[in-house]
Amino acid sequence: QSVLTQPPSVSGAPGQRVTISCTGSTANIGAGHGVHWYQQLPGTAPKVLIYGNNNRPSGVPDRFSASKSGTSASLAISGLQAEDEADYYCQSYDTSVSGSYVFGSGTKVTVL
Amino acid sequence: QVHLVESGGGVVQPGTPLRLSCAASGFTFSYAALHWVRQAPGKGLEWVAVISYDGTKTYYADTVKGRFTISRDNSKNTLYLQMGSLRAEDTAVYFCVREEEAPPPLVLGYFENWGQGTLVTVSS
Repeated sequence: QSVLTQPPSVSGAPGQRVTISCTGSTANIGAGHGVHWYQQLPGTAPKVLIYGNNNRPSGVPDRFSASKSGTSASLAISGLQAEDEADYYCQSYDTSVSGSYVFGSGTKVTVL
Repeated sequence: QVHLVESGGGVVQPGTPLRLSCAASGFTFSYAALHWVRQAPGKGLEWVAVISYDGTKTYYADTVKGRFTISRDNSKNTLYLQMGSLRAEDTAVYFCVREEEAPPPLVLGYFENWGQGTLVTVSS
């Protein structure tokens, strides 16, 4: 059971906008820890998409954006493209009993 | 360019120890905090362990605490994961990951560079 909850799947037609939510608690996102997002294409290692809540590494298209509010965060993909079909994970840090880095449950994005 | 290359995976019986290695290049190894992250077949990502740049601090996920040991050799630019008392549920691809600092005021970093992973299968 992941500490950060994401919808299992979202889908959209090419060109549409989709959003992925990442719901946490006061022990992680709500504690002020950063939220980072990763994209994992089939059969490959994850790649950082957004770091520090809303920063894009160089090379990541500006179609990808993210925000954070309270105990939740979200990733938006505008102008959905076929190449965006992948698994997406949010990640933060949890200050509960053991304290550790935590990932969201993952969301599969399907381009219709 | 950062390169992280894991090795040491394979098929092992439950209870058998195994050591993974990660050879690093393209950055100042002795300055970087390093992690192991795993992914069971068809499942999501799970953080396993982290080691500080100098090896003095280590932290583990509850699922592996007491069974796995993370270590590093800064003279060889190599990260290790010693896995003991392996269980079927430890079956996964294990990724070596370099942490990058997040912008202030954030204190903890993010996972900037990933290796290609090495598969560990625990089965009798």
